[in-house]
Amino acid sequence: DAKTTQPPSMDCAEGRAANLPCNHSTISGNEYVYWYRQIHSQGPQYIIHGLKNNETNEMASLIITEDRKSSTLILPHATLRDTAVYYCIVRVVSNTGKLIFGQGTTLQVKP
Amino acid sequence: SQTIHQWPATLVQPVGSPLSLECTVEGTSNPNLYWYRQAAGRGLQLLFYSVGIGQISSEVPQNLSASRPQDRQFILSSKKLLLSDSGFYLCAWYLTGVGGTDTQYFGPGTRLTVL
Repeated sequence: DAKTTQPPSMDCAEGRAANLPCNHSTISGNEYVYWYRQIHSQGPQYIIHGLKNNETNEMASLIITEDRKSSTLILPHATLRDTAVYYCIVRVVSNTGKLIFGQGTTLQVKP
Repeated sequence: SQTIHQWPATLVQPVGSPLSLECTVEGTSNPNLYWYRQAAGRGLQLLFYSVGIGQISSEVPQNLSASRPQDRQFILSSKKLLLSDSGFYLCAWYLTGVGGTDTQYFGPGTRLTVL
């Protein structure tokens, strides 16, 4: 699975959009970009995933560059409850389903 | 709907004592099952995964072991705990295409402190 690079921490004002970047310059054509988040003392929670098209769901939007070497997770209106560690993971869909977590980005939403 | 259970929620054990953590999944059949550990202030480390009953793959050499005696039951064990085994242990399940996504769903976790 391709390696990802994320900033270790970011701040965001409550009510504003949070834009979390992820670099994955060695991504292969069959690898998906997944985003999970982990709120303190809880298990990770799936947010969104995509292959090459931009994706949106009730939680967030995922913007993948045309060359697929980077992506951005957008939380349109961040709340205090969005404070968490956000993980960007790149992997192929396989029967093992393994996820390899990096260090992620700690997002602090401030009032 | 699917539900994943882990117990106990918290555990304090002395060094050298045995360990048994249990994870069960409801509402699905033949899921892939995973054990992760998160040491204090660290990221999640995949320890074991299983694609079926009796099938265990180890990701990291440990003094831990895993077993899957039933389709929806996954057990993490140790014969003798080390201080370095302290951490937050998470169980997860995965089933291709459930809900239209290939995602893992995590349990509430067990916080283990080895003294």
